[in-house]
Amino acid sequence: AQSVAQPEDQVNVAEGNPLTVKCTYSVSGNPYLFWYVQYPNRGLQFLLKYITGDNLVKGSYGFEAEFNKSQTSFHLKKPSALVSDSALYFCAVRDRTSGTYKYIFGTGTRLKVLA
Amino acid sequence: GAVVSQHPSRVICKSGTSVKIECRSLDFQATTMFWYRQFPKQSLMLMATSNEGSKATYEQGVEKDKFLINHASLTLSTLTVTSAHPEDSSFYICSARSGEGSYNEQFFGPGTRLTVL
Repeated sequence: AQSVAQPEDQVNVAEGNPLTVKCTYSVSGNPYLFWYVQYPNRGLQFLLKYITGDNLVKGSYGFEAEFNKSQTSFHLKKPSALVSDSALYFCAVRDRTSGTYKYIFGTGTRLKVLA
Repeated sequence: GAVVSQHPSRVICKSGTSVKIECRSLDFQATTMFWYRQFPKQSLMLMATSNEGSKATYEQGVEKDKFLINHASLTLSTLTVTSAHPEDSSFYICSARSGEGSYNEQFFGPGTRLTVL
């Protein structure tokens, strides 16, 4: 079965410091991986995706993620955190075995950037 | 990116009543729409997948008679929570995808907060 794991419920980082939000995956075949951000009482906003190609994927708002096949990881990173980055972050994998290509979400990681 | 809207954004209803939530793709044709629910501080749980013009496919444990899904056109899907009870209170999010194939991206709506009194 396809799945993603986000091992940290919450990550705290000081403003201006680099941030990392972790995600590992378990899929059969090549993974299609995504990162989304959710602000309070809002839907999900797309940040970036990995389908194929370069392992380092650049996305919205200065975020990037590195696909690491040997470690089955897709960690989200940003060189310098902003207070406005504080939100809930979801890693997702597209389930290519179901025929509907539905998304399977991780449990989410709450990022808190401290001023 | 493509825009998906939901209406209403927030609804409060009495126990036993039915509530309809609309999901619209504003600038593309959505052959497939997905309905999720999200409890506080939890992840999104897929409830059902609907394809335009056919019956929705429900995930295990989701009552199809309670959560009625209609995908009558390529730009509109509705979720009706029938005989709502307080335990149905949740944040409901739809997403839409155009075309088939694994490269087609999903776009998410802003969500609907349902509170059942």
